[in-house]
Amino acid sequence: EIVLTQSPATLSLSPGERATLSCRASQSVSSYLAWYQQKPGQAPRLLIYDASNRATGIPARFSGSGSGTDFTLTISSLEPEDFAVYYCQQRSNWPPEFTFGPGTKVDIK
Amino acid sequence: EVQLVESGGGLVQPGGSLRLSCAASGFTFSSYWMSWVRQAPGKGLEWVANIKQDGSEKYYVDSVKGRFTISRDNAKNSLYLQMNSLRAEDTAVYYCARSDGDYVPNWFDPWGQGTLVTVSS
Repeated sequence: EIVLTQSPATLSLSPGERATLSCRASQSVSSYLAWYQQKPGQAPRLLIYDASNRATGIPARFSGSGSGTDFTLTISSLEPEDFAVYYCQQRSNWPPEFTFGPGTKVDIK
Repeated sequence: EVQLVESGGGLVQPGGSLRLSCAASGFTFSSYWMSWVRQAPGKGLEWVANIKQDGSEKYYVDSVKGRFTISRDNAKNSLYLQMNSLRAEDTAVYYCARSDGDYVPNWFDPWGQGTLVTVSS
């Protein structure tokens, strides 16, 4: 089973600052990695799929990079609505089973 | 507008059963893999099960194998999760999600609003 590790667990930043979130896989997942944002009381929302593709309607300040085992989600300039928990997710080769990372909370400094 | 609406959650005793439903609209339901993902209170996300477009393939996380059954009715645009032999550790918000990808499901988008299942005596 592929294990995803996210760091840091909590990121305390101010609006306008750059956020860099890391997701590391215990073995290669190629580019099969997605990122989600979840706000309290809400369902997760897809931000990035296949490591670097922004989902429909996602602002350009969100970007994803990486392949293999190391991935990064970058928020170029934090807006007030970006303070939330972010999860990465991978799909195993076959069968299509999925695991999520433990999440990174981005909170207001 | 693509929409997923779950129902069927509630309080159930350990060892009991519950059936969750997810009504889909705004897209061609029969063209997509579908999944259930859960989130225990204050915890992270856990994929539970998924089902191929025609229902011919189904996959489960190890912790629910033999207890949960995913199914779908493409004529009714509906996804289901039959949960038997429920345990306290199954307590969670259960989300229905469309699975998407180029040839195989790689990510989840969109998600329903979730339905809470509480297993307690």
